[in-house]
Amino acid sequence: AQKVTQTQTSISVMEKTTVTMDCVYETRDSSYFLFWYKQTASGEIVFLIRQDSYKKENATEGHYSLNFQKPKSSIGLIITATQIEDSAVYFCAMRGTEGADRLTFGKGTQLIIQP
Amino acid sequence: AQTIHQWPVAEIKAVGSPLSLGCTIKGKSSPNLYWYWQATGGTLQQLFYSITVGQVESVVQLNLSASRPKDDQFILSTEKLLLSHSGFYLCAWTGGNSAETLYFGSGTRLTVL
Repeated sequence: AQKVTQTQTSISVMEKTTVTMDCVYETRDSSYFLFWYKQTASGEIVFLIRQDSYKKENATEGHYSLNFQKPKSSIGLIITATQIEDSAVYFCAMRGTEGADRLTFGKGTQLIIQP
Repeated sequence: AQTIHQWPVAEIKAVGSPLSLGCTIKGKSSPNLYWYWQATGGTLQQLFYSITVGQVESVVQLNLSASRPKDDQFILSTEKLLLSHSGFYLCAWTGGNSAETLYFGSGTRLTVL
């Protein structure tokens, strides 16, 4: 069974700084896909960035990047030059390639950007 | 571009009453469709998924059922609502490849009183 764990419940940082959110996962699949989503205050779930397990290079997308450490089953999200509108709940998720088609989410990390 | 529309935006229902939520996706043929549920302040829990018309797989039922009557439509329903059904329901889609990203609709907020 897949499991995704986000231990940071809430993080507060100053605007324009860099923040890292942690995520560890468990899976028996040899190939899998890791995602980060953002949930805005309205409830909207927005896809941010993904990492395919077979790729060694860390994914980047705008001011989002990933720190993928496969031996540690870890996929951290890094946001640089944070803005007030980055305040949201961030979810880590994993999708395997074997068995049932399932995208498993962590419990989320609330990010608060202070001016 | 693909668009996904969920209806209704919000519902307030009485315990024991029936429920039907829907989503429609445009601009994508033969999508995989998913239903997720989120309790207030909680994580997203996958309920059902469907890879084709008439075929629905249950992940966690929660006394709910799902149907896919058309290629572009996914319905979530129950005949008797429970208080525990309150929450945020999200429909999502992806292409048929397991490598693809899931994209979510804007959700339906359900309050059961």
